[in-house]
Amino acid sequence: AQSVSQHNHHVILSEAASLELGCNYSYGGTVNLFWYVQYPGQHLQLLLKYFSGDPLVKGIKGFEAEFIKSKFSFNLRKPSVQWSDTAEYFCAVKQGSNTGKLIFGQGTTLQVKP
Amino acid sequence: DGGITQSPKYLFRKEGQNVTLSCEQNLNHDAMYWYRQDPGQGLRLIYYSQIVNDFQKGDIAEGYSVSREKKESFPLTVTSAQKNPTAFYLCASSATGQGGNQPQHFGDGTRLSIL
Repeated sequence: AQSVSQHNHHVILSEAASLELGCNYSYGGTVNLFWYVQYPGQHLQLLLKYFSGDPLVKGIKGFEAEFIKSKFSFNLRKPSVQWSDTAEYFCAVKQGSNTGKLIFGQGTTLQVKP
Repeated sequence: DGGITQSPKYLFRKEGQNVTLSCEQNLNHDAMYWYRQDPGQGLRLIYYSQIVNDFQKGDIAEGYSVSREKKESFPLTVTSAQKNPTAFYLCASSATGQGGNQPQHFGDGTRLSIL
């Protein structure tokens, strides 16, 4: 079965540190990739997405992610985190089909210390 | 403002009881989804609907039922057959088209607990 794996379950960083959250998926066909974020007390919202073209995609709030097809990965990065980035981050994959069905990873809780 | 409204925010269920979670959207989206969120497991798809009067089972549909009589509404019933219903339930919607590449928009969720 197709799956999405996020390696880091809980990450603690100090402000200004660099961030990289891992995401790997198991599907050999065409995929579309997403990162969603859930800030404390807020609903899940889209951070960035990759459909095709440039494998380095930029999202909101200075986040970016790189699609590496050979590694089945879509890691999320930010050069310098802020306290306001404290949230739970979910990687999601849509398989090549005409439905919007997503498979989500387990989520990574990021805690940024001021 | 356009968005997705889930109600209630908190819900308690007695053993053997069916409960229904409401999800309404005013985004004019054709597709709607129900997910269950458990700690350490991410979101798992329960049911989804691409169009009114049609819906499909997701990965963990057992013990749940849905209906899609109106475009803006996609209620989820947690039946007594669901033996472990305590979880956070999220409803989402998306436009269709573009090969299903439209991002999903999420509601604030309903937390269901067993009495």
